[in-house]
Amino acid sequence: GQNIDQPTEMTATEGAIVQINCTYQTSGFNGLFWYQQHAGEAPTFLSYNVLDGLEEKGRFSSFLSRSKGYSYLLLKELQMKDSASYLCAVPPRGGYQKVTFGTGTKLQVIP
Amino acid sequence: DAGVIQSPRHEVTEMGQEVTLRCKPISGHNSLFWYRQTMMRGLELLIYFNNNVPIDDSGMPEDRFSAKMPNASFSTLKIQPSEPRDSAVYFCASQTPGVGTGELFFGEGSRLTVL
Repeated sequence: GQNIDQPTEMTATEGAIVQINCTYQTSGFNGLFWYQQHAGEAPTFLSYNVLDGLEEKGRFSSFLSRSKGYSYLLLKELQMKDSASYLCAVPPRGGYQKVTFGTGTKLQVIP
Repeated sequence: DAGVIQSPRHEVTEMGQEVTLRCKPISGHNSLFWYRQTMMRGLELLIYFNNNVPIDDSGMPEDRFSAKMPNASFSTLKIQPSEPRDSAVYFCASQTPGVGTGELFFGEGSRLTVL
């Protein structure tokens, strides 16, 4: 199975940079997903990392270290609309479709 | 393009009643997933289908829960009898065919309250 650990809540200031960490333990590895979920809405896909390193996509970047079982999501130039929960998920090897999420990190952006 | 469509958006029922949640995946997506989200347990995978066939139902909490996918454009999740602890938001998601990023496209969810 998979165990995922993320901080429950974080607060950051508009315009700043915030890093949301995710550590995981899995019986195998088949990539790592980040999803964003605004309150009362459905989760939406942000990124997928399968190789070590940093992948940048606009203001958002995602980093992966498979040897450390560690990932982070980096949000730059924070905007108020970035206030949301951020969910890390790791499907097991051979079960890339069996994506199970944890409780995620609730980010509050303040003026 | 229409996304994943779920109904009802909200349902309030009494303990012991049967609940049926419905989902229409994105056309062309051949995988469909049912998730349940609560504050305590987060977003949990209940069951998923490939080409209308159930692949893994190990997340279904107990026999009171059942899911069907009679065709490529429709799926149901049924709870019978319902209990207060089933109160949650139930999401349906679909996925594009083939091995790729595995991006899931979620519906807006069905918020279930069992009194």
